Amino acid sequence: EPEVTQTPSHQVTQMGQEVILRCVPISNHLYFYWYRQILGQKVEFLVSFYNNEISEKSEIFDDQFSVERPDGSNFTLKIRSTKLEDSAMYFCAPGASPETQYFGPGTRLLVL
Amino acid sequence: GENVEQHPSTLSVQEGDSAVIKCTYSDSASNYFPWYKQELGKRPQLIIDIRSNVGEKKDQRIAVTLNKTAKHFSLHITETQPEDSAVYFCAAISNTGGFKTIFGAGTRLFVKA
Repeated sequence: EPEVTQTPSHQVTQMGQEVILRCVPISNHLYFYWYRQILGQKVEFLVSFYNNEISEKSEIFDDQFSVERPDGSNFTLKIRSTKLEDSAMYFCAPGASPETQYFGPGTRLLVL
Repeated sequence: GENVEQHPSTLSVQEGDSAVIKCTYSDSASNYFPWYKQELGKRPQLIIDIRSNVGEKKDQRIAVTLNKTAKHFSLHITETQPEDSAVYFCAAISNTGGFKTIFGAGTRLFVKA
């Protein structure tokens, strides 16, 4: 399975602070997903990204969230003003097609 | 909105027995159905998938069936082993216009030695 990297692996932040989560996908993977997983719960779709544009986003992905590809390779997920309920694992999942996705190791976000 | 129902939420089997996990999806545009295994503290890992133009697919001890008319798909694990113990998630992906993945709630499988 191709290797996807995510940074940081863990982040602790204060409520109301901004966080930026980063993902380095496989170089030829053009499709991109962000997911979150609250501890002990299911994986929830946040947003999909293709051709430098958002393809779909869920109801969770409100104005507090944004996704960018700042340097043409890395992807970032920004949460502008974190809330307690944003505490979760955040996974990126790039893929060579919309279907085939390889989950990164995740970033564990804790909002205090 | 789109939804994927998954049952059971917990499944306990004896080593060597079979395990079956079932999912139902609501979005008729769904055309790809992956299954993921997630061990404690780790990322979900794809174990098998099936496309909407196929009714069944098998890979060693794992098989998946799809009934597109009924919008049901199932995961079958035969000859279970303790290392099969994990949480299993089904998912449905629609790829018309935009693309999104909807996951089921997960099934915690315990395989007792």
